[in-house]
Amino acid sequence: QKEVEQNSGPLSVPEGAIASLNCTYSDRGSQSFFWYRQYSGKSPELIMFIYSNGDKEDGRFTAQLNKASQYVSLLIRDSQPSDSATYLCAVTSNSGGYQKVTFGIGTKLQVIP
Amino acid sequence: ETGVTQSPTHLIKTRGQQVTLRCSSQSGHNTVSWYQQALGQGPQFIFQYYREEENGRGNFPPRFSGLQFPNYSSELNVNALELDDSALYLCASSFGGLDSPLHFGNGTRLTVT
Repeated sequence: QKEVEQNSGPLSVPEGAIASLNCTYSDRGSQSFFWYRQYSGKSPELIMFIYSNGDKEDGRFTAQLNKASQYVSLLIRDSQPSDSATYLCAVTSNSGGYQKVTFGIGTKLQVIP
Repeated sequence: ETGVTQSPTHLIKTRGQQVTLRCSSQSGHNTVSWYQQALGQGPQFIFQYYREEENGRGNFPPRFSGLQFPNYSSELNVNALELDDSALYLCASSFGGLDSPLHFGNGTRLTVT
């Protein structure tokens, strides 16, 4: 079982629709959860972070966390073609005194005009 | 505030050679971590440095080594290059806490022939 699992996609949504990206993790001790966006050939950039169960909204983005189900998701409302990218889920836990960050494979999102 | 910078941008090496990649962390950050990202995969953790000491390491052989300097800049050294070392190498800096997001540089694309 992978530590952080994501569907690699591609996930195709029409412009203006809601894109739903999902991620599950195996370490129950995980404490912080991040979503990064990565355009092709570029480095990851932070989109959202969430630490507590529930929803966190920032503009068109909403992160959702359910620690009991070991599940974190990212919703993108009013999807735009510029949102087309790979979205990486990252999970942080304390491993022997350092911040261990584990990434999923990433979900490729395609927003169709 | 200066961001994370990496050099060089691209590099082509021959199998068996050695390579050094460099990273300047974002101002104020004291922790640097290195990731290897193969095509179509998520970033894989190589190691992390905090105050010039390696305090975490992923599943990479000893021929991957590093340094962090007093100004928090860092180097990644890879000896005896193999074809599978071809990847995007990402440097990320942070404050090191569990809730501290990673700030990535633009990466170094290494090709081993």
